[in-house]
Amino acid sequence: DSGVTQTPKHLITATGQRVTLRCSPRSGDLSVYWYQQSLDQGLQFLIQYYNGEERAKGNILERFSAQQFPDLHSELNLSSLELGDSALYFCASSAWGSGGTDTQYFGPGTRLTVL
Amino acid sequence: KNEVEQSPQNLTAQEGEFITINCSYSVGISALHWLQQHPGGGIVSLFMLSSGKKKHGRLIATINIQEKHSSLHITASHPRDSAVYICAVESGGGADGLTFGKGTHLIIQP
Repeated sequence: DSGVTQTPKHLITATGQRVTLRCSPRSGDLSVYWYQQSLDQGLQFLIQYYNGEERAKGNILERFSAQQFPDLHSELNLSSLELGDSALYFCASSAWGSGGTDTQYFGPGTRLTVL
Repeated sequence: KNEVEQSPQNLTAQEGEFITINCSYSVGISALHWLQQHPGGGIVSLFMLSSGKKKHGRLIATINIQEKHSSLHITASHPRDSAVYICAVESGGGADGLTFGKGTHLIIQP
């Protein structure tokens, strides 16, 4: 158990809909990363938050957005869903601050199916 | 953007064999990560390296910064080691996400 929790575990929805994925980082971790794993693209970095502020952006679509709240949990919002958004979405957390790299601990993932 | 290449893509071996998985990357990095993903989907961090060598149980990871190359070794392999092993790099000193290789599918047969 990494200490990172994600809800829900599974989500089935229709094209055009909007969903919210939730992540709670390990106790004390300030950095949260979101990743997408799909069959054709593999694992891709979407976005990083550090202590409530956006820190880095990867291959995140404009239809997707995220935020990190004062209690450090994070939400990833996916809107106008398309079939191609079906994937496993992982959240990871680390204690990274300004001192350099740190191990990232992954949550169990949310499997999104868009029908 | 960093490109991460892993080899082999697939590897089947007998229990007890010494396993080596290789990873090469194209530009400078701040750290390299080895991850393990089981069939259920969960991802576990095995190692984070910025230089030298690390060992944890039967797993050993090495990195050569000059050659932009890392290896993951498994000694005395066991069927429970069967998983996908993923190499990932970060270039931003933590202020960026990981760039992933495509993974190595390892099967250890009893």
